Amino acid sequence: KAGVTQTPRYLIKTRGQQVTLSCSPISGHRSVSWYQQTPGQGLQFLFEYFSETQRNKGNFPGRFSGRQFSNSRSEMNVSTLELGDSALYLCASRRPGGTGELFFGEGSRLTVL
Amino acid sequence: AQSVSQHNHHVILSEAASLELGCNYSYGGTVNLFWYVQYPGQHLQLLLKYFSGDPLVKGIKGFEAEFIKSKFSFNLRKPSVQWSDTAEYFCAVKGGSSNTGKLIFGQGTTLQVKP
Repeated sequence: KAGVTQTPRYLIKTRGQQVTLSCSPISGHRSVSWYQQTPGQGLQFLFEYFSETQRNKGNFPGRFSGRQFSNSRSEMNVSTLELGDSALYLCASRRPGGTGELFFGEGSRLTVL
Repeated sequence: AQSVSQHNHHVILSEAASLELGCNYSYGGTVNLFWYVQYPGQHLQLLLKYFSGDPLVKGIKGFEAEFIKSKFSFNLRKPSVQWSDTAEYFCAVKGGSSNTGKLIFGQGTTLQVKP
């Protein structure tokens, strides 16, 4: 069974640009959550999508957005990139009706110059 | 607000030493608790989880954790570590009644095991 797949794995952008990251959940998982991981702040919840609807949102500015498609694949977008957005962005999926266990992808490492 | 505190940021042990990583959480209601591990260059993996019942839970690779409700703690233990246990360990909490993918993570503990 394939795990959570994230693309691209690495990318470099400059300040002011925007970026789109993609996540394909485990087959049958309909919930997708996104996290930002940095050395200073650790793992912070960005948002969660279920059945194409945002179910939960963390404390991030509006520059961070996401969406989910009918096949449960999800994308997140960061506009007007800032240096502080450099981080590992993790996607996680979970089973419908599951007990909360998240299955994580390997992440997309974003560097903003 | 919910929070998770991991006591040690960096732990260095020799092989065969015993391990205990502390985790305390702040949450007023029923909780689900998790320990995740991130090996170098790999994705976060679930070590073990507590939802209800026996407060002593066993996970993969010989790890176990004990939920002590009165102390709001969920410490991770392993009797004898191996070099391959070198990784970063994260404790996480979720409100037990919430059907959500939002976990609150601790800052993580880097474990270095010397051969």
